[in-house]
Amino acid sequence: QLQLQESGPGLVKPSETLSLTCTVSGGSISSSGYYWGWIRQPPGKGLEWIGSFYYSGSTYHNPSLKSRVTISVDTSKNQFSLRLSSVTAADTAMYYCARHVDSGAYSPQHYWGQGTLVTVSS
Amino acid sequence: SYVLTQPPSVSVAPGTTARITCGGNNIGSKSVHWYQQKPGQAPVLVIYYDTDRPSGIPERFSGSNPGNTATLTINRVEAGDEADYYCQVWDSSSDHVVFGGGTKLTVL
Repeated sequence: QLQLQESGPGLVKPSETLSLTCTVSGGSISSSGYYWGWIRQPPGKGLEWIGSFYYSGSTYHNPSLKSRVTISVDTSKNQFSLRLSSVTAADTAMYYCARHVDSGAYSPQHYWGQGTLVTVSS
Repeated sequence: SYVLTQPPSVSVAPGTTARITCGGNNIGSKSVHWYQQKPGQAPVLVIYYDTDRPSGIPERFSGSNPGNTATLTINRVEAGDEADYYCQVWDSSSDHVVFGGGTKLTVL
């Protein structure tokens, strides 16, 4: 059974960089033929897509976040990471990692981690 | 950028049919996906590519996307269906995912 688990600091100071890691078990990022990605949800608000990638290199980002977002993958550890720079209080959210249904970035996210809450505050 | 519009809330009695809409410009030309999210939980995919149902999702859940409004239909609504529901599409003009604002389904 595929499982995803987010990890990282729960508190980040304004203007600093948010860094999260998603550890995948029960399947391999590099041999799976799926897109993987990040979604966030501010408290009490809706879902916001951050970005998605294919292990071989194709990456898509939310245009509203693109200049601040870096998504990277470590296939040796079966993990992928999110870095969001210059954070503000507006970046306070539950952050989810997820695997898409298939090898299209246009496909929906089928498997989700439980999410990790990141608060931006001094 | 592409915008998806959902009603903030829908209320139905148990045993009846709930219909949650998702509007967007020429949405019928896109594939629509639907998620269910219960409080404190990650979203769950309930309908994808307009009408497909993932394994484990009851047949009571169905989707349609004939024109300018996509619809998630839940037949014989149960108390356990109370949740927030989100629609999602891929905006091919700018290559990114778009979510609707979400609809809170209340089972009276």
